Amino acid sequence: DGGITQSPKYLFRKEGQNVTLSCEQNLNHDAMYWYRQDPGQGLRLIYYSQIVNDFQKGDIAEGYSVSREKKESFPLTVTSAQKNPTAFYLCASFRQGGSGYTFGSGTRLTVV
Amino acid sequence: GENVEQHPSTLSVQEGDSAVIKCTYSDSASNYFPWYKQELGKRPQLIIDIRSNVGEKKDQRIAVTLNKTAKHFSLHITETQPEDSAVYFCAASFHTGTASKLTFGTGTRLQVTL
Repeated sequence: DGGITQSPKYLFRKEGQNVTLSCEQNLNHDAMYWYRQDPGQGLRLIYYSQIVNDFQKGDIAEGYSVSREKKESFPLTVTSAQKNPTAFYLCASFRQGGSGYTFGSGTRLTVV
Repeated sequence: GENVEQHPSTLSVQEGDSAVIKCTYSDSASNYFPWYKQELGKRPQLIIDIRSNVGEKKDQRIAVTLNKTAKHFSLHITETQPEDSAVYFCAASFHTGTASKLTFGTGTRLQVTL
């Protein structure tokens, strides 16, 4: 799906539970990103990674964690410390020398 | 860090009319300004972008203008069609060619009426 696959499409989390969102790309892109989108708001950066085994906090990293063990994969864990996790989560990648991001199709997370 | 403001938040135009969406940015080092279109429940799609060494760029019915001095850039859609109805986001970043950390505006919901 455009070279970036996010799964699952819908995810339900109980309060106090950690959940992991998957993001896989086969575009050979170096940089990967996680954004959160809330209704009526723009995309806010959670974490990003420019290279394997390295990542940086974005603007709203509290309550989230990531890893980048492989170039193709950049999973996001929403921990119990994130008090308001219900949102639409978008993963993106960027090619060195390229233009804009390529986005995945998103995961809609709901706390039940 | 960068801060991007976008106006208006909603915009309704009649089919065939033009639509203009405006954004301002705060970081004078930003040099890359893409625009994305997002349909309901779907991923954002890049529709046009501009770099700071260019003042205007056109692609068929879509154009983007950039005023570096004033730190604002605008999206212009001419001859609007119902399929242009979507949410549009502007973004800005300091773009090195090896990485880019985009800061997005809050979006404009464009409604094209018949």
